[in-house]
Amino acid sequence: AQSVTQPDIHITVSEGASLELRCNYSYGATPYLFWYVQSPGQGLQLLLKYFSGDTLVQGIKGFEAEFKRSQSSFNLRKPSVHWSDAAEYFCAVGARGNTGKLIFGQGTTLQVKP
Amino acid sequence: DAGITQSPRYKITETGRQVTLMCHQTWSHSYMFWYRQDLGHGLRLIYYSAAADITDKGEVPDGYVVSRSKTENFPLTLESATRSQTSVYFCASTEGDREHSPLHFGNGTRLTVT
Repeated sequence: AQSVTQPDIHITVSEGASLELRCNYSYGATPYLFWYVQSPGQGLQLLLKYFSGDTLVQGIKGFEAEFKRSQSSFNLRKPSVHWSDAAEYFCAVGARGNTGKLIFGQGTTLQVKP
Repeated sequence: DAGITQSPRYKITETGRQVTLMCHQTWSHSYMFWYRQDLGHGLRLIYYSAAADITDKGEVPDGYVVSRSKTENFPLTLESATRSQTSVYFCASTEGDREHSPLHFGNGTRLTVT
């Protein structure tokens, strides 16, 4: 069965510092992988996705993620965090043949210190 | 404006009552979904629909009913609400032309069952 683990429930970083949010997945084949961001009181917005090809994917707002098959990971990174990046971040995995039926991780709440 | 609209944004109901959460999208997307968001669980799929008059169960369907008589609407009904159904409910849609098409989310309905 598919599963997604985000080991860090809460992360605090200083503004301008680099960020890495971890995501590990369990899936028998090559999955589709997504990162979504949720601001308070809002729905989820897609940051980036991986479905094939280059394992380093670029997203919106300066985020990137790297798919590492050997480690079953899809960690999200940003070189310099801005205060507006404070939000909850969700990693999700989708199976081929199952459009939109995603398995989400528990989420990581990012707090940004001035 | 184009997008997904969920109503109501907030709802308080009593145990045993029937309540319907509404979802309307203006994109004419084929696929629509209902997810619930609970602390520690991320988002979990309740029901989904691949087209009008086609619906199927997700991971946590018990206690819920859906219908999709029109492409743009996908209401979710709790037939007899229980406290365990207190949650934030998100409706989402995707065009489904590719399996990895991203989900577009509404802003959610926060439901409290007393």
